[in-house]
Amino acid sequence: EVQLMESGGKLIQPGGSLRLSCAASGFTFSNYIMTWVRQAPGKGLEWVSSISGTGISTYYIDSVKGRFTVTRDNSRNTVYLQMNTLRAEDTALYYCAKLGRRPTEGWMDMWGQGTLVTVSS
Amino acid sequence: EIVMTQSPATLSVSPGERATLSCRASQSVADHLAWYQQKPGQAPRLLIYAASTRATGIPARFSGSGSGTEFTLSISSLQSEDFALYYCQQYYNWPPLTFGGGTKVEIK
Repeated sequence: EVQLMESGGKLIQPGGSLRLSCAASGFTFSNYIMTWVRQAPGKGLEWVSSISGTGISTYYIDSVKGRFTVTRDNSRNTVYLQMNTLRAEDTALYYCAKLGRRPTEGWMDMWGQGTLVTVSS
Repeated sequence: EIVMTQSPATLSVSPGERATLSCRASQSVADHLAWYQQKPGQAPRLLIYAASTRATGIPARFSGSGSGTEFTLSISSLQSEDFALYYCQQYYNWPPLTFGGGTKVEIK
């Protein structure tokens, strides 16, 4: 069974740092692009970042460039999102999602249950 | 950035009736369009990809159509479990991957 499980979310002060993790199982992890999507309370879905299967290519939404870093450890079947200089507008439920093997397969066919990040003093 | 616009924001439908949701792209995305369903307190679930291909396990009452800039998700004979939020997403030209604002399908 394909599963994604996020962890690491918590209440944190503005300017702080946090690392989210997403543990994957049930598929050949290194073959797939992995993605982070967030959803602010009561709002829609917003793509945040993606990382290729090898980890060589990374992509970010403009609002997090220079503050967030996505990495992966294929030996642990885990993808990470390092979040620095957090702002109130980063408050959201952060989902980990699995994309296809190639960028042309950009649909998200599996999602985790999300981990909540609250940025507030 | 390709902007995705969904309409209507809210769709009121009676159980057993047909629902038709629209998604428009600010420029052509060919057939690189996916649809998701999200219920309260749950993660989104993939319904449709490549504009018209149902994902694994998705009932046949869900169908997608369109190409270029205009897309439709149809739900024939709405069941109680279909009342939810629906999002479209393009993957033709990214980053960024972009979602529509969502359509809420509610009971009439």
